[in-house]
Amino acid sequence: GAGVSQSPRYKVAKRGQDVALRCDPISGHVSLFWYQQALGQGPEFLTYFQNEAQLDKSGLPSDRFFAERPEGSVSTLKIQRTQQEDSAVYLCASSLPLRDSPLHFGNGTRLTVT
Amino acid sequence: SQQGEEDPQALSIQEGENATMNCSYKTSINNLQWYRQNSGRGLVHLILIRSNEREKHSGRLRVTLDTSKKSSSLLITASRAADTASYFCVPTGNAGNMLTFGGGTRLMVKP
Repeated sequence: GAGVSQSPRYKVAKRGQDVALRCDPISGHVSLFWYQQALGQGPEFLTYFQNEAQLDKSGLPSDRFFAERPEGSVSTLKIQRTQQEDSAVYLCASSLPLRDSPLHFGNGTRLTVT
Repeated sequence: SQQGEEDPQALSIQEGENATMNCSYKTSINNLQWYRQNSGRGLVHLILIRSNEREKHSGRLRVTLDTSKKSSSLLITASRAADTASYFCVPTGNAGNMLTFGGGTRLMVKP
């Protein structure tokens, strides 16, 4: 079946604009994660969903970041009033709920804030 | 969740040589996973080793785990240019499926 799909692939935003990044997980994967990856760094955890419930949002860097997964499938990461430091690749991953399940990652959305 | 620390940060070898990357972590784990990230294919899961396992193989990959030393190693044998990537170890505790990534080892395999 299809893998994790993220859109858009690239996004350029002017500072102060709001952006919305979309993630379509693998069908049947109840767990969904968002990560932020700066150039040359490892992915940084942002938030985690199990079905529609957001179980952990401790990694969201500020209240400008908001994630939702209203029907337990597609998820959207929204960044309000973007700043230059928000420029990064945003990765989405999904997995089965089992403890030993690996994460399946999308190709990410590269956000550039000018 | 907890984070693994990879060593070395960067590694450069010739094609055909073996590459060894190490990982250390701080608390008890349920399992440890290795992921690879290259520019073409994004982040890909390579292998998972459970806390009661000491060694696991998958193709040219060999992973070891020493829970008494809280360390793991990833060996890639007969490396190829296509193995050029960053490699991340991700220890997972009993808190669930929370995966935290460190900085990774950047491997370069020269043809």
